Amino acid sequence: AQSVTQLDSHVSVSEGTPVLLRCNYSSSYSPSLFWYVQHPNKGLQLLLKYTSAATLVKGINGFEAEFKKSETSFHLTKPSAHMSDAAEYFCVVSFNTGFQKLVFGTGTRLLVSP
Amino acid sequence: GAGVSQSPRYKVAKRGQDVALRCDPISGHVSLFWYQQALGQGPEFLTYFQNEAQLDKSGLPSDRFFAERPEGSVSTLKIQRTQQEDSAVYLCASSPLLAGGPETQYFGPGTRLLVL
Repeated sequence: AQSVTQLDSHVSVSEGTPVLLRCNYSSSYSPSLFWYVQHPNKGLQLLLKYTSAATLVKGINGFEAEFKKSETSFHLTKPSAHMSDAAEYFCVVSFNTGFQKLVFGTGTRLLVSP
Repeated sequence: GAGVSQSPRYKVAKRGQDVALRCDPISGHVSLFWYQQALGQGPEFLTYFQNEAQLDKSGLPSDRFFAERPEGSVSTLKIQRTQQEDSAVYLCASSPLLAGGPETQYFGPGTRLLVL
């Protein structure tokens, strides 16, 4: 079965410091992985996706993630946090059952302090 | 419009009342998905449409939940005899059907349902 585990429910950083949001996945075959961000009262927005091309994936707003098969991880990073990055982040795995069914993690809330 | 829209944005219902939630997908998108997001949780898949055909409804929690997309564009999620446990944000997403996959799903802002 496909699943993702987000290891931290909350992460707090100071503005200008690096961000690391951790995600481990479980998949019986080569997965497609995504990170989505959810700002309050706004829809989920795709940050980036991994589809078995390059293992280091660059997304919007300076975020990137690295697919590590040996560690079954897909951690999200950003070199320098901005106040506007404060939001809920979801790691997502998809699997093909005739369509792409998304399985979401429980989310990590990123708090950014001045 | 440019994105997925949902209405109403907020709905308060009395227990036992029927509700209908609307989703307008991005024009031309073949695939449409409904998700349920409980407080403090990630979204969970409810059902999937390809055009007007409902190809998967395995995530619908009970037979009180019903979804339709009769003309292959707008979709409605109906909940009959609402219960308190139905309180959640209901998200709609759409995507184009691409041969290469995986499809990127574009999400609407959601409808927040509160059942009293």
